[in-house]
Amino acid sequence: KQEVTQIPAALSVPEGENLVLNCSFTDSAIYNLQWFRQDPGKGLTSLLLIQSSQREQTSGRLNASLDKSSGRSTLYIAASQPGDSATYLCAVMNSGYSTLTFGKGTMLLVSP
Amino acid sequence: DTGVSQDPRHKITKRGQNVTFRCDPISEHNRLYWYRQTLGQGPEFLTYFQNEAQLEKSRLLSDRFSAERPKGSFSTLEIQRTEQGDSAMYLCASSFRVEGATGNTIYFGEGSWLTVV
Repeated sequence: KQEVTQIPAALSVPEGENLVLNCSFTDSAIYNLQWFRQDPGKGLTSLLLIQSSQREQTSGRLNASLDKSSGRSTLYIAASQPGDSATYLCAVMNSGYSTLTFGKGTMLLVSP
Repeated sequence: DTGVSQDPRHKITKRGQNVTFRCDPISEHNRLYWYRQTLGQGPEFLTYFQNEAQLEKSRLLSDRFSAERPKGSFSTLEIQRTEQGDSAMYLCASSFRVEGATGNTIYFGEGSWLTVV
């Protein structure tokens, strides 16, 4: 059974810092990995999708990397802003399945 | 708005009552998913449809839960005889899946909050 772990569970940083969120998964046989953002009481917003054959994806200040063989992904946020405050969720789609397995998320607070 | 829409956004019900949630996916998306999320946890898979066919159900989906997607468009999730443990946010998502591809982005709605009192 696939398990997804996100470290740290919570992170508080001052505005302007670069930061890294970590995601690890136990079964490396995945189709893809997706990073989401969730604001309190809201649904999920897709940030980045990395296919199993890719090593990284970039969108603006966000960069996600994937090391499938070691079961790890990182989400790098450059020059953090208070508006980045949210919970960030990592999810993997296993080969042969069509559903996502999520981690519990990292709650990020960026203070002005 | 062309995103995934869910209705109602919030529902408070008494234990034992039935509730139904509706999801309208992004137009032309052939896959529709239901997930459940409780506080401090990531979403957990419940079930998904490819067009009108329900292809997979989680063991979390007890016999009190039923989902439908008539005509492969909108979907409903019904919970019968609600229990306090059913209190959660129910998330709907959709995607367009091409056979043989390694998967496209899955888009989520804003969720439907259920509180059972």
